[in-house]
Amino acid sequence: GAVVSQHPSWVICKSGTSVKIECRSLDFQATTMFWYRQFPKQSLMLMATSNEGSKATYEQGVEKDKFLINHASLTLSTLTVTSAHPEDSSFYICSARDPKAPYEQYFGPGTRLTVT
Amino acid sequence: AQTVTQSQPEMSVQEAETVTLSCTYDTSENNYYLFWYKQPPSRQMILVIRQEAYKQQNATENRFSVNFQKAAKSFSLKISDSQLGDTAMYFCAFMIPYNYGQNFVFGPGTRLSVLP
Repeated sequence: GAVVSQHPSWVICKSGTSVKIECRSLDFQATTMFWYRQFPKQSLMLMATSNEGSKATYEQGVEKDKFLINHASLTLSTLTVTSAHPEDSSFYICSARDPKAPYEQYFGPGTRLTVT
Repeated sequence: AQTVTQSQPEMSVQEAETVTLSCTYDTSENNYYLFWYKQPPSRQMILVIRQEAYKQQNATENRFSVNFQKAAKSFSLKISDSQLGDTAMYFCAFMIPYNYGQNFVFGPGTRLSVLP
């Protein structure tokens, strides 16, 4: 089956620094990837949609200058949290769509970010 | 805009018994997909079952089955012979296919506890 990986699985950073999270589709080419944020005991909240070779589309209320998304290849999308603050601490999940199965969405295992 | 509602924040069931999780949705679209995802304590999103709106037959996957009522916009999940490993958050989700600008819409989730 289709596999999506995320790296790192958890990260702790200091307030004011930037942190990058990678999302990779391991056995398929993902023209579209999605980034979600999940607070404890809550549902997934879509942050942005990332299409290979073009700018990401951000959901309303998501700061595009704080959450930089790059989808430079068909197997890699990155989310960079810039000038992180404690309120950015959360669980970040990426997912990817395989054009051959557009009704499916394959999720990564998530990244827990803690900003101290 | 599409919305997904799960009216049961928490549920519990005895091991080996049957439980039904409710989900309703709102859309003006005629062709769409509905999903149930499981998120265990590991937080990896796992696809439980998928239903295509144009198919009248309810989807079934082993112990998991759905009751899809298109006119009522209802999509409930029945878990038979509940097992301890079924303990997880369950999210109902809605998706319109072939529209890469639109992602899944998730419900708020139901926390299911299977009791020994």
